[in-house]
Amino acid sequence: DAKTTQPPSMDCAEGRAANLPCNHSTISGNEYVYWYRQIHSQGPQYIIHGLKNNETNEMASLIITEDRKSSTLILPHATLRDTAVYYCIVRALYNFNKFYFGSGTKLNVKP
Amino acid sequence: GAGVSQSPSNKVTEKGKDVELRCDPISGHTALYWYRQSLGQGLEFLIYFQGNSAPDKSGLPSDRFSAERTGGSVSTLTIQRTQQEDSAVYLCASSLGGAGVGSYNSPLHFGNGTRLTVT
Repeated sequence: DAKTTQPPSMDCAEGRAANLPCNHSTISGNEYVYWYRQIHSQGPQYIIHGLKNNETNEMASLIITEDRKSSTLILPHATLRDTAVYYCIVRALYNFNKFYFGSGTKLNVKP
Repeated sequence: GAGVSQSPSNKVTEKGKDVELRCDPISGHTALYWYRQSLGQGLEFLIYFQGNSAPDKSGLPSDRFSAERTGGSVSTLTIQRTQQEDSAVYLCASSLGGAGVGSYNSPLHFGNGTRLTVT
């Protein structure tokens, strides 16, 4: 299964866009990229996922490079409530019950 | 609608005792997962149920851990003869699962977990 690499922490000013990178250079053609976040003392919250096209929903946008070796999660207008650990996960189509969470990126949104 | 519900939210037990943790998945979700998260760590896969298929138990750390899912809905994770290293947050998740179109990539929805402390 493809593994992911994320920076351990990032800072972002409130109201600005937060761009969280993820490297997944060993990703296979049938593996989806998922993003979750975890706020202290809560379970992980689903944000967005995609295969090769860019995706957008009410929470965020997901930009996947053409070679699919990396992706960026964009929170367009970060708020203090977006402070959390963000996990980038690669999920195999045929081993989809194994959701491997790495160490994630701690996003600190500052006033 | 209602999300994944786990109980109890906190459990303190003495070393050597057995504990049962409960998970109520989202209605209609056929796939159910258990994970555990030790302090400051990422999530560790434990077990996966899909419909009436045999569960994937490959993540269970020892034979002291077991889980069942009755009627394809509620699941119970049992830890026998608890040890201090079992202290963690135990998370349950559910998803549409199955073999239907689009279901294999349906996202997991997590509960808020049970914090287990073994003294």
